[in-house]
Amino acid sequence: SQTIHQWPATLVQPVGSPLSLECTVEGTSNPNLYWYRQAAGRGLQLLFYSVGIGQISSEVPQNLSASRPQDRQFILSSKKLLLSDSGFYLCAWTQGRELFFGEGSRLTVL
Amino acid sequence: DQQVKQNSPSLSVQEGRISILNCDYTNSMFDYFLWYKKYPAEGPTFLISISSIKDKNEDGRFTVFLNKSAKHLSLHIVPSQPGDSAVYFCAARASDNNDMRFGAGTRLTVKP
Repeated sequence: SQTIHQWPATLVQPVGSPLSLECTVEGTSNPNLYWYRQAAGRGLQLLFYSVGIGQISSEVPQNLSASRPQDRQFILSSKKLLLSDSGFYLCAWTQGRELFFGEGSRLTVL
Repeated sequence: DQQVKQNSPSLSVQEGRISILNCDYTNSMFDYFLWYKKYPAEGPTFLISISSIKDKNEDGRFTVFLNKSAKHLSLHIVPSQPGDSAVYFCAARASDNNDMRFGAGTRLTVKP
């Protein structure tokens, strides 16, 4: 069966520091991969999605970036974090019509 | 722009009663709709979905209704149980698009 994992689960970072969140899917090949963010009191905002290695679509201009170095690996990065980057980040995958989410990563920027 | 809207941020229901969660969308290209359930500090889990060719889909205690002309869908939970207490997200996607749009969520509290 397919599984999705993302890490770290919790992260506390100072403003201006870099960020790297990693997501890996197992048990499938060539999935579509997604990064969403849930800010406090808000819904799920689509940040990036990828339909293949090296193919990244960005939904919102911001200081975050995404990369897909391998078929089942999706990385969310930032060179310099802002306070507004705090939130709950979710990786997801699909090969059909439903999205399946990872456990989430709580980022607090101080 | 918010293409999927859940206008009720919270809903409180007595155990055993019906819970009705509502969702509206603006994009007429959406043809597949989903409901997700989310507990704190966890990723959302898929609950139920409906294609635009149907107006109702039922799975146990959960039923989703779709009104295409009104661009409205709803999730009915009958009977509601305390374990149903969570945030429910409505989502929609179009066949020719890879992304999925979510509403802001509705926090359901089922009181014993």
